[in-house]
Amino acid sequence: AQSVTQLDSQVPVFEEAPVELRCNYSSSVSVYLFWYVQYPNQGLQLLLKYLSGSTLVKGINGFEAEFNKSQTSFHLRKPSVHISDTAEYFCAVISPLYDSGTYKYIFGTGTRLKVLA
Amino acid sequence: DGGITQSPKYLFRKEGQNVTLSCEQNLNHDAMYWYRQDPGQGLRLIYYSQIVNDFQKGDIAEGYSVSREKKESFPLTVTSAQKNPTAFYLCASSPNELPGVGGYTFGSGTRLTVV
Repeated sequence: AQSVTQLDSQVPVFEEAPVELRCNYSSSVSVYLFWYVQYPNQGLQLLLKYLSGSTLVKGINGFEAEFNKSQTSFHLRKPSVHISDTAEYFCAVISPLYDSGTYKYIFGTGTRLKVLA
Repeated sequence: DGGITQSPKYLFRKEGQNVTLSCEQNLNHDAMYWYRQDPGQGLRLIYYSQIVNDFQKGDIAEGYSVSREKKESFPLTVTSAQKNPTAFYLCASSPNELPGVGGYTFGSGTRLTVV
């Protein structure tokens, strides 16, 4: 079965410093990978996605992620964070599991990014 | 602007009561989903629907029920059979072509508390 592991439950970082949020997945088939951001008491918003092609994916708010097939990773990075980036970040993979032919998202448990002044 | 509206934002339920959470979208999406979010557990799929008048159980459907009478609406009922309903509930939608591959659109959630 496919799974997603976010290795860090919380990541504190000072403003204007770089950050990397780690995500590893397990899968024996091709996958689609996503990062979502959730601000307090809000829904999730899509940051970026990898479907195919270039392994470096750029998203909104200056974030980017790199798909590494050999390491089964999809780490999220930002070169310089702002206070407003404080939020929870979820990595997700799509798995074609259901017999109905639809796709199922498998979400990681989330990483809380806390940007400090 | 197109989007998903969840209501109410906060909901309190007495033990033994059924409550219904509303989810409406004007994105013309075929597929709709309900997730439950608990601290440290990520999101877990409760129910999903790919088309009107059809829906499927997700991973944690026990104690919940849904209906899909209109394309725009996918209400979730939390029944008294759900033993631990206190959680944050998120509704999402996506186009049906390769559903979810383009990413989900999420509502802003309903926080349900049992009192």
